[in-house]
Amino acid sequence: EDQVTQSPEALRLQEGESSSLNCSYTVSGLRGLFWYRQDPGKGPEFLFTLYSAGEEKEKERLKATLTKKESFLHITAPKPEDSATYLCAVQAGGGADGLTFGKGTHLIIQP
Amino acid sequence: DVKVTQSSRYLVKRTGEKVFLECVQDMDHENMFWYRQDPGLGLRLIYFSYDVKMKEKGDIPEGYSVSREKKERFSLILESASTNQTSMYLCASSLLGASEQYFGPGTRLTVT
Repeated sequence: EDQVTQSPEALRLQEGESSSLNCSYTVSGLRGLFWYRQDPGKGPEFLFTLYSAGEEKEKERLKATLTKKESFLHITAPKPEDSATYLCAVQAGGGADGLTFGKGTHLIIQP
Repeated sequence: DVKVTQSSRYLVKRTGEKVFLECVQDMDHENMFWYRQDPGLGLRLIYFSYDVKMKEKGDIPEGYSVSREKKERFSLILESASTNQTSMYLCASSLLGASEQYFGPGTRLTVT
């Protein structure tokens, strides 16, 4: 069974304080790993797709990396508007195209 | 930009009612998905479709059915709503099997 575990569950940072969110996964053949941002009461917003170990993607203050067992979402010098829940999801090679999601990391950036 | 729309943001139904949730995407995507999101459980896949009139069960299909008569539209049907189906329902679409999924704003369904 595919599993995705995100840590920490919640993280409170000061504005400008860099940190990393972790996503550990167990899948039978990874087709893709996805990061999403979700604001309260809204649908998830796509951020990154990573397909193979060693791959990195960047967007503004966010950088996603991938190894064979986990992915990190690095947040550099965050701003209050980066506050959101960050979701990690995997798509396995077993057949179904649906995503298996972690429970998310709730990030709060204090001014 | 991809746009996925859902017919209602909020919906209140009574136990035993038949409920239809509609989803429309405007990017000619092949795949469409229905998830539900619950506190402490995260997002879970209910059903998906990779072509018109095709459907596949996800992880939690019990109590639900789906319909895809046109490429751009994917409906989730609760045949007889129950209180344990109170949840946030999210529709998504993607172009190819291993590509990113784009989500709609969600429908918060309450069954009383």
